[in-house]
Amino acid sequence: GENVEQHPSTLSVQEGDSAVIKCTYSDSASNYFPWYKQELGKRPQLIIDIRSNVGEKKDQRIAVTLNKTAKHFSLHITETQPEDSAVYFCAASSLSGANNLFFGTGTRLTVIP
Amino acid sequence: GAGVSQSPRYKVAKRGQDVALRCDPISGHVSLFWYQQALGQGPEFLTYFQNEAQLDKSGLPSDRFFAERPEGSVSTLKIQRTQQEDSAVYLCASGIAEAYNEQFFGPGTRLTVL
Repeated sequence: GENVEQHPSTLSVQEGDSAVIKCTYSDSASNYFPWYKQELGKRPQLIIDIRSNVGEKKDQRIAVTLNKTAKHFSLHITETQPEDSAVYFCAASSLSGANNLFFGTGTRLTVIP
Repeated sequence: GAGVSQSPRYKVAKRGQDVALRCDPISGHVSLFWYQQALGQGPEFLTYFQNEAQLDKSGLPSDRFFAERPEGSVSTLKIQRTQQEDSAVYLCASGIAEAYNEQFFGPGTRLTVL
């Protein structure tokens, strides 16, 4: 099955700086890579996703890059704000099978005002 | 529109009790998933429904776990003879259709087994 690894486990940045979170996956059949933001006690919320037919996707301050050859993808948050503080999870899934998501272990991002 | 809802939000059970957790997916969503999230971890897949058919239950940790979606909408996850290791947040997610991967999560049920 799929194995998703995520680094770092914790990340602290100054407000206004950029944050980068990296994930690797093992199953070459995976073709969908979402990122979820989860605040304490809340549901995971989809913030951005990318499919394997593109290498980069951007939405305002958030961008995701995908390297299919190396089997890794990254989340980039620019101009970080205190409200970006949360746990971020990467995930991978494939259209073959159940489409269930395989999640990384999470990155706790703290943006220091 | 309404998102995915789950009830109860919190459940405390004594070891050995049976519990039932409910998920109301987004109306019209074909796919429904259950995940288990232990403290400080990412969600882990339990089971998947496409309409009323349970197509994958490979993530259920033991035969004490049972899920159903009899009419293809509301789903119930039942845990029999709960154990302390069952303590976790149980998340439900729904998706538009099989061909689309996007999943929308509910707020979860936090189960504590004493």
